Amino acid sequence: DTGVSQNPRHKITKRGQNVTFRCDPISEHNRLYWYRQTLGQGPEFLTYFQNEAQLEKSRLLSDRFSAERPKGSFSTLEIQRTEQGDSAMYLCASSFPSYNEQFFGPGTRLTVL
Amino acid sequence: ELKVEQNPLFLSMQEGKNYTIYCNYSTTSDRLYWYRQDPGKSLESLFVLLSNGAVKQEGRLMASLDTKARLSTLHITAAVHDLSATYFCAVDEGGYQKVTFGTGTKLQVIP
Repeated sequence: DTGVSQNPRHKITKRGQNVTFRCDPISEHNRLYWYRQTLGQGPEFLTYFQNEAQLEKSRLLSDRFSAERPKGSFSTLEIQRTEQGDSAMYLCASSFPSYNEQFFGPGTRLTVL
Repeated sequence: ELKVEQNPLFLSMQEGKNYTIYCNYSTTSDRLYWYRQDPGKSLESLFVLLSNGAVKQEGRLMASLDTKARLSTLHITAAVHDLSATYFCAVDEGGYQKVTFGTGTKLQVIP
């Protein structure tokens, strides 16, 4: 296992379209996190899963955003009716309860035209 | 709401010099992380600090945590160009490792 993977790495879409991103965590990690990072800022927490349960969602996660982790392994983040303000890097991280650090994937860079 | 502040936001320094990046946070926490990010890349974990007084060192970087002062420092010794990157501290708010990141310190080491 080489780490957290994310697909696609880059996504360009037109305003109003729906997009979906995928994250595959490190295999033995049962915790999975989504963050959003805009240029010049630190990552902002979006949501968190433990196994398949979504335990917390940030108020940043509007009703256009939905995340799933159906079998407690990979996760998807969907953005409906994209807006230009959604343009950002979307980062996924995973961790194991006894480990005290999160391991980040390479990110998906979204550009909304 | 937890606030995490880093200073300076930008740091330009010459090779061979020493400097310290500061991370202040607004609520009680005894877990703090430092990450490095290169342009266009993801975050690389540098240090995990889990208790008051924790100190960790790796190469030219040393991180410390003072939970009573709600302060962490990242000290750079004899900087080299390869250390040029953005450095983030992140504070753990709760038991499941929800973290709040600082705004980052962009470090440029000039040969």
